[in-house]
Amino acid sequence: DTEVTQTPKHLVMGMTNKKSLKCEQHMGHRAMYWYKQKAKKPPELMFVYSYEKLSINESVPSRFSPECPNSSLLNLHLHALQPEDSALYLCASSQANSGGYEQFFGPGTRLTVL
Amino acid sequence: GQNIDQPTEMTATEGAIVQINCTYQTSGFNGLFWYQQHAGEAPTFLSYNVLDGLEEKGRFSSFLSRSKGYSYLLLKELQMKDSASYLCAVSPTDSWGKLQFGAGTQVVVTP
Repeated sequence: DTEVTQTPKHLVMGMTNKKSLKCEQHMGHRAMYWYKQKAKKPPELMFVYSYEKLSINESVPSRFSPECPNSSLLNLHLHALQPEDSALYLCASSQANSGGYEQFFGPGTRLTVL
Repeated sequence: GQNIDQPTEMTATEGAIVQINCTYQTSGFNGLFWYQQHAGEAPTFLSYNVLDGLEEKGRFSSFLSRSKGYSYLLLKELQMKDSASYLCAVSPTDSWGKLQFGAGTQVVVTP
């Protein structure tokens, strides 16, 4: 199994809703990542987990809350989002978070905030 | 931090060759990646360079010069399916796991 899966594929939510994005990999990777990507822009790193511990938070607003329940799963909890948070949210994983390891990306969740 | 520059768009015809340049400025360097991203899809890994020189993988090759802060991705025998955005990304040494992406180069392949 060499893929990263993400659910849901599409999500529409209101500004008062609470929802979660899910990511899963079974490649034995110990580093997992959340990125946000706006149209025609490169991915922007949000969070990095290494060995299930948060190692990088790129000053992301608290309305985004990551969670890594185990080495295969990564969640992103969403609460009180703004319309400008509408974007493609990509999950990725790599063998480790040291340099030189290829990151495998999931297909993303297309989020629309109304 | 890192400044990563690559052209915004390039157009080429089917069967031709296109070279996408990427220049970077970084205080620490742990390798450079190239990713391909089709519209609405996830980025997929193409190549990784950490030492100077050329890495060849089928129709795609990537070159790195660390002293010049320069890389290029060479796409040969272009096919229509190569129309995509190509992202140059630097792995800095001062922030493990963080990939700094360039803005991407949109390659348009015409018949």
